[in-house]
Amino acid sequence: GAGVSQSPSNKVTEKGKDVELRCDPISGHTALYWYRQSLGQGLEFLIYFQGNSAPDKSGLPSDRFSAERTGGSVSTLTIQRTQQEDSAVYLCASSGGWQTYEQYFGPGTRLTVT
Amino acid sequence: AQSVAQPEDQVNVAEGNPLTVKCTYSVSGNPYLFWYVQYPNRGLQFLLKYITGDNLVKGSYGFEAEFNKSQTSFHLKKPSALVSDSALYFCAVRGNNAGNMLTFGGGTRLMVKP
Repeated sequence: GAGVSQSPSNKVTEKGKDVELRCDPISGHTALYWYRQSLGQGLEFLIYFQGNSAPDKSGLPSDRFSAERTGGSVSTLTIQRTQQEDSAVYLCASSGGWQTYEQYFGPGTRLTVT
Repeated sequence: AQSVAQPEDQVNVAEGNPLTVKCTYSVSGNPYLFWYVQYPNRGLQFLLKYITGDNLVKGSYGFEAEFNKSQTSFHLKKPSALVSDSALYFCAVRGNNAGNMLTFGGGTRLMVKP
């Protein structure tokens, strides 16, 4: 079946611009996660959505970062007023829910802030 | 707080030889442990997990891992390495009483030489 998809695969933006990154989880998966992968920081958790519960935003690095998940499916991660330190690969993952432990990752969006 | 350590940045092994990639963890409560593999310009691919039960778990592509509670370790192993196993390997943990987010180790690059 189809896996997790993300778009765009690459995004180059100027410092100060806003960007939106999209994630389509595996159909039927109730949990969705965003992570960031960078050379200096490794893999970091950003935000987690589970069903209709309030998202866990504990990993968001600043208030410039936000995410939403519409209709329990597609998610958008928004970074406002991008900074060079935001350059990273943003990975989305989904899982089948509370009792399904492994997460399945998308290919990622490589964000470069110039 | 939970954490994962992968003490080796790189592991070199000859094709056909056994390989081990080390991982130790720290977490409150019982750990849920995972190994993922990342090929160049790709997302993370799930290899195997330990949730409960037998300490030796088997996963994809002939990989296995052994959970050792007393040593808080979850080393990844394969009896006979292939050149195609060359990739970046990540160990991850979550606690059973924490949010679903994964905490990743820094990754270990496995190089299998012909």
